[in-house]
Amino acid sequence: EVQLVESGGGLVQPGGSLRLSCAASGFSFSTYWMHWVRQAPGKGLVWVSRINSDGSSPSYADSVQGRFIISRDNAKNTLYLQMNSLRAEDTAVYYCTREPVGRVEPDYWGQGTLVTVSS
Amino acid sequence: QSALTQPASVSGSPGQSITISCTGSSSDVGSNNLVSWYQHHPGKAPKLMIYEGSKRPSGVSNRFSGSKSGNTASLAISGLQAEDEADYYCCSYAGSSSLLFGGGTKLTVL
Repeated sequence: EVQLVESGGGLVQPGGSLRLSCAASGFSFSTYWMHWVRQAPGKGLVWVSRINSDGSSPSYADSVQGRFIISRDNAKNTLYLQMNSLRAEDTAVYYCTREPVGRVEPDYWGQGTLVTVSS
Repeated sequence: QSALTQPASVSGSPGQSITISCTGSSSDVGSNNLVSWYQHHPGKAPKLMIYEGSKRPSGVSNRFSGSKSGNTASLAISGLQAEDEADYYCCSYAGSSSLLFGGGTKLTVL
């Protein structure tokens, strides 16, 4: 069974940093591209970042470019999102998602982890 | 890029059919067949219902169907059931390894 479990969310002050993790199981993690998608309170889903299978080619939404870093450890079956210079508008539930091989649209999603940026 | 445009809400009675539209542009929805639809019950993981415009993943009811015309994609649900009540999001590949989501549609089963 495919499982994606996010962790690392919490309350952080504006300007602070946080690192999210996503533990993957039930599939060959190292062969899949992965995404982070977020949902602000009462708002819709917004794509944040994507990384290829070996971690060599990340991409980012304009809103987080230069502040967030996506990475992965294929030996640990774990995806990461390092979030720096956090702003109030980064407050959201962050989901990690799997991109099927040969396709683009994510198939499996985790249940998300809440990040709150507030003083 | 702006979010894809979806109606904020739709409703229907059990057994009825509804359609949710998703309007984008020639740079996203209109440029490829990489449109997907997700069902999201708050507090749970979103679930893929339709991919590549009209394909259903294994295990998804055939009451759900997808289509596209020009810059607008649509999700149709027939034979509405109480458990279909959820938020629905469309998603399109938008180039440069990015994805673009719709604002979401709240489906109410009356």
